[in-house]
Amino acid sequence: NAGVTQTPKFRVLKTGQSMTLLCAQDMNHEYMYWYRQDPGMGLRLIHYSVGEGTTAKGEVPDGYNVSRLKKQNFLLGLESAAPSQTSVYFCASTQGNPEAFFGQGTRLTVV
Amino acid sequence: DQQVKQNSPSLSVQEGRISILNCDYTNSMFDYFLWYKKYPAEGPTFLISISSIKDKNEDGRFTVFLNKSAKHLSLHIVPSQPGDSAVYFCAASGNSGYALNFGKGTSLLVTP
Repeated sequence: NAGVTQTPKFRVLKTGQSMTLLCAQDMNHEYMYWYRQDPGMGLRLIHYSVGEGTTAKGEVPDGYNVSRLKKQNFLLGLESAAPSQTSVYFCASTQGNPEAFFGQGTRLTVV
Repeated sequence: DQQVKQNSPSLSVQEGRISILNCDYTNSMFDYFLWYKKYPAEGPTFLISISSIKDKNEDGRFTVFLNKSAKHLSLHIVPSQPGDSAVYFCAASGNSGYALNFGKGTSLLVTP
């Protein structure tokens, strides 16, 4: 039972490049989330999903897109990466309460 | 605007003593509060939570207290152990989809 798995763990992008971060959970959870954490800041919600095929914007959605085509996967896309998107990204999931399980994080650097 | 505030970036406590971490919130719609623990290079892990209908929840060495009128909660760790050294995030939920609003975290160091 792996829980929440994020791929990749590390990535360096050049400004303007695109990439997709993958989050997979094996707990059959309905709700999934993408957060970012910057130095000295708490985690901030980017986008979330309340079920397969649904997505919604969080606090800081600009520059990101998401898709939830399968219940177990939640993808976060950066269409044209900017240095301001350098951050640690965390995916989380929960079945129906706020006690979410988090992945190990993806450290992204945009140069 | 930060709706969940942890005003102490760091705290140092001796092993065996009590650690008290504080958190304030501004949004009256929050109805569930959580504490997460985070080690470097790992994701946050859930520690303890409390519903707004309660004022105390206890789990082993960890107790969370909620004062709704003051919009304040605190996490007590007794006794503190070196393995408790980590960053502790306060979080609150009340929005749709059980999404969490996080504080900036408090780095706890427990010294032997």
